[in-house]
Amino acid sequence: NAGVTQTPKFRILKIGQSMTLQCTQDMNHNYMYWYRQDPGMGLKLIYYSVGAGITDKGEVPNGYNVSRSTTEDFPLRLELAAPSQTSVYFCASSYPTRTTNEKLFFGSGTQLSVL
Amino acid sequence: AQSVTQLGSHVSVSEGALVLLRCNYSSSVPPYLFWYVQYPNQGLQLLLKYTSAATLVKGINGFEAEFKKSETSFHLTKPSAHMSDAAEYFCAILSEGGSEKLVFGKGMKLTVNP
Repeated sequence: NAGVTQTPKFRILKIGQSMTLQCTQDMNHNYMYWYRQDPGMGLKLIYYSVGAGITDKGEVPNGYNVSRSTTEDFPLRLELAAPSQTSVYFCASSYPTRTTNEKLFFGSGTQLSVL
Repeated sequence: AQSVTQLGSHVSVSEGALVLLRCNYSSSVPPYLFWYVQYPNQGLQLLLKYTSAATLVKGINGFEAEFKKSETSFHLTKPSAHMSDAAEYFCAILSEGGSEKLVFGKGMKLTVNP
């Protein structure tokens, strides 16, 4: 039962570097999400996707890009890393919550530091 | 826009004592509300959810929450705290307008003292 798998678990970047956080799910969920978690701030939605080929901005999309070429994968791209992007990143997936009463499944997170 | 408020950031209880974590919501439509738990170094897990059925919702690990429209509240309770309940707890609301986005509160860290 893999669920939602995120890689890497930890990463240190220098300012201006780029990287891609990988997320894959094996539950055939339509919906996928990227959140960032900062201490005392809860989770903020960065981007989400309602299906392959469809993505949309969340609350804090600046500095990030996403793509959804397949149902399974939803990578998050940081093009020019900045210290403000130091955070813990969570990927999540679900069926539509309203209609099917499915819950949100979370990955175990990626801890990113930008120095 | 819909939102949830969790006042304070830290709650400390003794083992065996009542756990009460408060959540108030703001919504112009009947809300869908959730409680998630995050254990150290893990992702979030669903504890329970309210989707307009019974107002008292029972979740995993002995937790329950009561939806009170008159108070716009969805407080989480557990009669007797266990050491394993130490975690961070997040209240969340499903955004309106047909999208499937969850809006999270800031979280509440629960410490359980022996």
